[in-house]
Amino acid sequence: KNEVEQSPQNLTAQEGEFITINCSYSVGISALHWLQQHPGGGIVSLFMLSSGKKKHGRLIATINIQEKHSSLHITASHPRDSAVYICAVRFSGSARQLTFGSGTQLTVLP
Amino acid sequence: EAQVTQNPRYLITVTGKKLTVTCSQNMNHEYMSWYRQDPGLGLRQIYYSMNVEVTDKGDVPEGYKVSRKEKRNFPLILESPSPNQTSLYFCASSPVEGKGQPQHFGDGTRLSIL
Repeated sequence: KNEVEQSPQNLTAQEGEFITINCSYSVGISALHWLQQHPGGGIVSLFMLSSGKKKHGRLIATINIQEKHSSLHITASHPRDSAVYICAVRFSGSARQLTFGSGTQLTVLP
Repeated sequence: EAQVTQNPRYLITVTGKKLTVTCSQNMNHEYMSWYRQDPGLGLRQIYYSMNVEVTDKGDVPEGYKVSRKEKRNFPLILESPSPNQTSLYFCASSPVEGKGQPQHFGDGTRLSIL
């Protein structure tokens, strides 16, 4: 069965801390997305990765294809980073469907 | 402004009364998709479309219909809604999903079926 697992489910951090959220998947993929869902419910696409590493501001996403693992890092975290972070993958050979992880609820305290 | 627009944002209705949730994008994207989000189950794909007149089932298509007559519009139709379709629904689009482009999401539609 094609699965996507995220960890941790919940994460509380103090402002300024370095944060890592992990995503593991069961079989080969052709693309991996990191999404951010705000408390109001809206979803924003942060990154799309098929290999290597991407950086945008304080956010860094990495993927290790051999280990079937991706990480989302947030440097110098801020209370406005509080949101649910969701990993989504397109498994190889699965047409155009996306499979989502269960999400990581991040709370950054001032 | 580039955006994906869903309507309505909120709807409370009754079992069996047909409803349509509209989705429109102004970015000339080929790929569009519908998702539902439920507590404990996360996001799941309902239907997607690669282009005009090309649609396909996602993970949870039962009870839903879609159409793609124009590139910009991808309505989600519930012919006979039931309480288990109470959920938060998102429409999304991207240039060409096969190229792994990031998706643009609508603001969501919160649907309650009584």
